[in-house]
Amino acid sequence: SAVISQKPSRDICQRGTSLTIQCQVDSQVTMMFWYRQQPGQSLTLIATANQGSEATYESGFVIDKFPISRPNLTFSTLTVSNMSPEDSSIYLCSPRLAGVPNEQFFGPGTRLTVL
Amino acid sequence: AQSVTQLGSHVSVSEGALVLLRCNYSSSVPPYLFWYVQYPNQGLQLLLKYTTGATLVKGINGFEAEFKKSETSFHLTKPSAHMSDAAEYFCAVSDQGSSYKLIFGSGTRLLVRP
Repeated sequence: SAVISQKPSRDICQRGTSLTIQCQVDSQVTMMFWYRQQPGQSLTLIATANQGSEATYESGFVIDKFPISRPNLTFSTLTVSNMSPEDSSIYLCSPRLAGVPNEQFFGPGTRLTVL
Repeated sequence: AQSVTQLGSHVSVSEGALVLLRCNYSSSVPPYLFWYVQYPNQGLQLLLKYTTGATLVKGINGFEAEFKKSETSFHLTKPSAHMSDAAEYFCAVSDQGSSYKLIFGSGTRLLVRP
């Protein structure tokens, strides 16, 4: 297991602004996944991030809207750019840990409300 | 493409009754299967997983699930529901390829009546 923290835990933002969400893990991460959970919905994968390479985005998500950084093995950020009310969701990071195959862990989530 | 279907967006049981949450998947290769639980305003917690080996998998909090390849199912059960089991339950599948990304079902909200 691992301790996974996300900052901020929640935020209320104005339309047109951007928010960067941080995910910190206390263990080495092989792959980092970012998910979105819209109100009352299931989780949808936004992108997969490997350290040292560009993130791979799922259909319907683009780098200009959701840029991701992964500067080292334990930290990643997701930015939600030029926000609109439709971006109101819970955003979760999900690391795959080195030495723990076949399992993904989840951060506590960032609850974003866009006015 | 992989997909996961969870029958029933809401399931209501009485305390002490059997819990059965259904999950069916489609996959062209043997998948890895997972059940996660999400309590109100909290993150996801892994209940159990199937990768290989025994098809009946036991998890935390008294839950278990059985992988049935012939039925492409991975239903979650618990013999006796407790009030604290009320939560949202998600079934998920991942492939065994290099990505291992999870595809989630739509979720089932379990309500437990006193």
